[in-house]
Amino acid sequence: DARVTQTPRHKVTEMGQEVTMRCQPILGHNTVFWYRQTMMQGLELLAYFRNRAPLDDSGMPKDRFSAEMPDATLATLKIQPSEPRDSAVYFCASGFATEQFFGPGTRLTVL
Amino acid sequence: SQQGEEDPQALSIQEGENATMNCSYKTSINNLQWYRQNSGRGLVHLILIRSNEREKHSGRLRVTLDTSKKSSSLLITASRAADTASYFCATNSGYSTLTFGKGTMLLVSP
Repeated sequence: DARVTQTPRHKVTEMGQEVTMRCQPILGHNTVFWYRQTMMQGLELLAYFRNRAPLDDSGMPKDRFSAEMPDATLATLKIQPSEPRDSAVYFCASGFATEQFFGPGTRLTVL
Repeated sequence: SQQGEEDPQALSIQEGENATMNCSYKTSINNLQWYRQNSGRGLVHLILIRSNEREKHSGRLRVTLDTSKKSSSLLITASRAADTASYFCATNSGYSTLTFGKGTMLLVSP
C-alpha cells in the first residue's frame, strides 16, 4: 500500500530555531507538493517540484523557508529561523493534476 | 489564494440523512476534485469531475458541476457517522497544482 510518509509527525520548537521536515513521496510520482494548513488561511501551496526540479515556490517566504529534493525519494522543507506565525500543519503530497496523495502532515508549534 | 469557497462552513446532520456541500470558484478550470480530511490526517481524494462533465457518481457520492455558474456540489447520500470529516473542493486550471477551498466541516451524529 503505497503512501506518502512525513517526519516528524509533531515538532515543538522555540522561536529562532531551525526546523527541517522530511517527506518520502510515493515511488514513481514525479511531482511533489508542500502545503501549509492553518485555521485562518486554510490549505496553502508553498512549493512544488517535478522530476526533483523546483517549479514554483512563490507561496513560500523566501527569506526563511527553503525546499529541496536531494533525490527522488526525499523532499525537505526547512524553516530558519522559525517564528511563532509558522505554527501550522505542513503537508507533503505527491501525484498528478488529476489526484494528489497526501502524507499525514507535520504539526509544527513554534513557541 | 483560495479559488474554491465551500458552503456551508459547517454542517450537522443525523445518520441516514443526505449531506450537500457546495463549492464556488472564480477562474476557468480543467477539472474539480473533492477531498476528505479526517481530524489529524492528510487529505484523501474522493472524486474528480472534468470541465466537460456535468455529473459524476462514486458509491454514495454524487458530484455536479456547473461551469456557467462556476460551482460544484458534493452530495453524500445515506450518511454514516464515519463520514464525519472536513470536505474540500480543489480546482485544477491546467497545470499540476490544485487550489483548495477552506472546506466544509461535516458532523454526522448517530
